Parts: sequence; structure tokens; C-alpha cells
Amino acid sequence: EPEVTQTPSHQVTQMGQEVILRCVPISNHLYFYWYRQILGQKVEFLVSFYNNEISEKSEIFDDQFSVERPDGSNFTLKIRSTKLEDSAMYFCASSDLGGTYGYTFGSGTRLTVV
Amino acid sequence: AQSVTQLDSHVSVSEGTPVLLRCNYSSSYSPSLFWYVQHPNKGLQLLLKYTSAATLVKGINGFEAEFKKSETSFHLTKPSAHMSDAAEYFCVVSGRGGNEKLTFGTGTRLTIIP
Repeated sequence: EPEVTQTPSHQVTQMGQEVILRCVPISNHLYFYWYRQILGQKVEFLVSFYNNEISEKSEIFDDQFSVERPDGSNFTLKIRSTKLEDSAMYFCASSDLGGTYGYTFGSGTRLTVV
Repeated sequence: AQSVTQLDSHVSVSEGTPVLLRCNYSSSYSPSLFWYVQHPNKGLQLLLKYTSAATLVKGINGFEAEFKKSETSFHLTKPSAHMSDAAEYFCVVSGRGGNEKLTFGTGTRLTIIP
């Protein structure tokens, strides 16, 4: 069964450093998403991406965040200057056109900011 | 805007007995509804999806959910719990556009008693 792959599984970074979280969506999917889950809280939407541009973003997704699809297969989330409150599990997801088969999530990257 | 409310933060059942995880939704139009499961230290796995076809939706691992518009509910059930069902379960809603963002409930932790 096709999978969404996320790397790394766990990343520790110092406050103020830049991090890039990487995702390889399912190859024939056209929509890509990032969600996050702060420990003990619910999963929150960050951003959706289609046709090489952001289609929707939440108020969480401020200027510190950016997304990119640099090479047609990877989908990245960059946090420019990490804060302690950015510590969370970050999930990448992808879906086919129309979301017919639902949204497939990766296993997540646990980001710890120290 | 749409939202979901998971009525129980924690449910415990004995192995072999039925499972009922409750979810109510709020949406100004006919929504798409999902149940996702998250096993410890794992990603989010789609259990089932409702998109205005049959109101009784069958999913993986013996789970099913019934969409009841009059009650704005989408409860998840399974006739006989298995130890491997122990996990966190999320009720999720999205807009009718097919690729819109997902809004997650707060989750229900299911514990199976041997």
C-alpha cells in the first residue's frame, strides 16, 4: 500500500535555529498538507498546498513557516527560527484529487526545541 | 465552519465486548467525516470515511460508523474488541470540497482490559 514518508522521525534543535522537515507524498497525489500535534493536544491544521502554491493556511502558519515542493517528489516544511512552543509532532499528509480515498498521513516527525 | 466533539476522552472495555466511541459534528453543510486511529508512537491511519453515500460505513479491522443527520452524530463501533485496538481514535470533519483541511476532535483513548 502506498505510504507517505517523513524524515527524520525525531529532531532536536536549539531555539532560534532553522529546521526543515521532509515528506515524500504518495506519487499520484496532488494535494499536500502539514498538521501538528502538540503533546496532549489535538491535531491542528497548518497548511495545504496544491499546484505549487499554498491553497489554505491557518493562523498558526505565520511568517516563520514556509513550505516548498523543491523537486516534484519532496514536500518540505521549514521553520526559520524555532521557538520552544514549536515543539510538537508534525504530520505530513497527501490526498488525490477530490479526496476520494481520504487523506494519507505519514508517521510524523517529533520536533523538540530546547 | 465545521467542528467535531468527541464525547469521551477515555473509554475502557473488556476484550471481546463491544466498542462505542461517540462523536458529534457541527457543519453548515453536508460534511465529509472520518475516523482515524493513532497507535502509540505511530502515525494516523484512516479507519473509515463518510461522504454522503451509504449512512453505514464499514472500515478496516471490523470497525464501522453510522452517519445520523438528525442527531448530528457519527459514532464508531466494533462488535468485539481486540487487544490490538488499544489506541487513540480521532473523529475528523472536512468541508465538502474534497480536498479541504481536516478538523480533528480531541481524541478518545481506548483501553482494552484483558
